[in-house]
Amino acid sequence: QKEVEQNSGPLSVPEGAIASLNCTYSDRGSQSFFWYRQYSGKSPELIMSIYSNGDKEDGRFTAQLNKASQYVSLLIRDSQPSDSATYLCAAPPRTTGFQKLVFGTGTRLLVSP
Amino acid sequence: GAVVSQHPSRVICKSGTSVKIECRSLDFQATTMFWYRQFPKQSLMLMATSNEGSKATYEQGVEKDKFLINHASLTLSTLTVTSAHPEDSSFYICSARDGLAADTQYFGPGTRLTVL
Repeated sequence: QKEVEQNSGPLSVPEGAIASLNCTYSDRGSQSFFWYRQYSGKSPELIMSIYSNGDKEDGRFTAQLNKASQYVSLLIRDSQPSDSATYLCAAPPRTTGFQKLVFGTGTRLLVSP
Repeated sequence: GAVVSQHPSRVICKSGTSVKIECRSLDFQATTMFWYRQFPKQSLMLMATSNEGSKATYEQGVEKDKFLINHASLTLSTLTVTSAHPEDSSFYICSARDGLAADTQYFGPGTRLTVL
């Protein structure tokens, strides 16, 4: 089982819709979780971090964490074509001493105008 | 968010030459920086962990003598690709961990290396 898993997509949503990106992780000891956005040819950009169960909102973005289910998600409200990118879920598992981030393969999001 | 810079952003060199890439954390101190490589349409691949004042830790399969890492200060890490060959052409990205921000990693903009 991979330490961090994501559906590679593409996830296609129309402009204005809610995009829901999902991620599961295998290490119950992981304490922190991160969502990065990566445009083609660019480096990853931090979107959200979450540490506690529940929801965390920042503008159009909401991260959700459920430690019991080992599940973390990112919701993007009012999706815009400029949100089209690959979204990477990451966590530092115990196997790395919580030092290194392990990334999922990323979900490609396509927002059509 | 915190800012991490990389220089140069793009470099083209001849086979056999060495290329140095700098990674700087501009508004925080980073005791740990990471170097990644990414080939087109592939995932990020961690190459090594750079710790200030000590030797870097390399991932399995990464040649430490080919990819020299120096982390001489809390805001600067350098990656030197020695005797570069065309197969080293890739997108090299550094990240810096902010220990005062729950160990969040911030990425630099990346360096695109093309070896002719």
